[in-house]
Amino acid sequence: AQTVTQSQPEMSVQEAETVTLSCTYDTSENNYYLFWYKQPPSRQMILVIRQEAYKQQNATENRFSVNFQKAAKSFSLKISDSQLGDTAMYFCAFILTGTASKLTFGTGTRLQVTL
Amino acid sequence: GAVVSQHPSRVICKSGTSVKIECRSLDFQATTMFWYRQFPKQSLMLMATSNEGSKATYEQGVEKDKFLINHASLTLSTLTVTSAHPEDSSFYICSARGLSQKANEKLFFGSGTQLSVL
Repeated sequence: AQTVTQSQPEMSVQEAETVTLSCTYDTSENNYYLFWYKQPPSRQMILVIRQEAYKQQNATENRFSVNFQKAAKSFSLKISDSQLGDTAMYFCAFILTGTASKLTFGTGTRLQVTL
Repeated sequence: GAVVSQHPSRVICKSGTSVKIECRSLDFQATTMFWYRQFPKQSLMLMATSNEGSKATYEQGVEKDKFLINHASLTLSTLTVTSAHPEDSSFYICSARGLSQKANEKLFFGSGTQLSVL
């Protein structure tokens, strides 16, 4: 079974600063996807960034980037130039590539961006 | 982008009644839909996986007779909470997966339903 661990229940960052959220996972499989989802107070799940395990290059989406270390099974999210609108719960998630796969979520990190 | 519509967004019901939540994929065919439950300040917990035209697969500890899931078409799945009790009060979210070979690249989420049982 796959597991996803987020060891930081809460994080705080000042506006315009950079913050890194940690995520580790455990799997014996080789082909999978990793995601970071944002859940603001509206509770809508928003995809922030996706990484395909077979790609060595780290994914980036504007101010969001990941540090994907496959051998270490680590998948951290870096948010640059933090904005007040980044305040939310952030979930790391994992899914195998097969059609019978299910998305496994970490416990989440609550990020607060302050002035 | 693909949209998943979930209704109602909020429902309040009396203890003992049943509540139906709908999840529709608006512009794609969803072969698989997932139903999650989320308690305050916690992560999403998968309740069940439903594939179009077949019975849902429930996660361990989830009562299938209490949480009835129907996925009769490629665009609609429903979750019915039967004989609801206050402990069933929670936020329920659906997620849909499309037909493509790389469908797991992106799963689409509904906006969630807050169920409050009095």
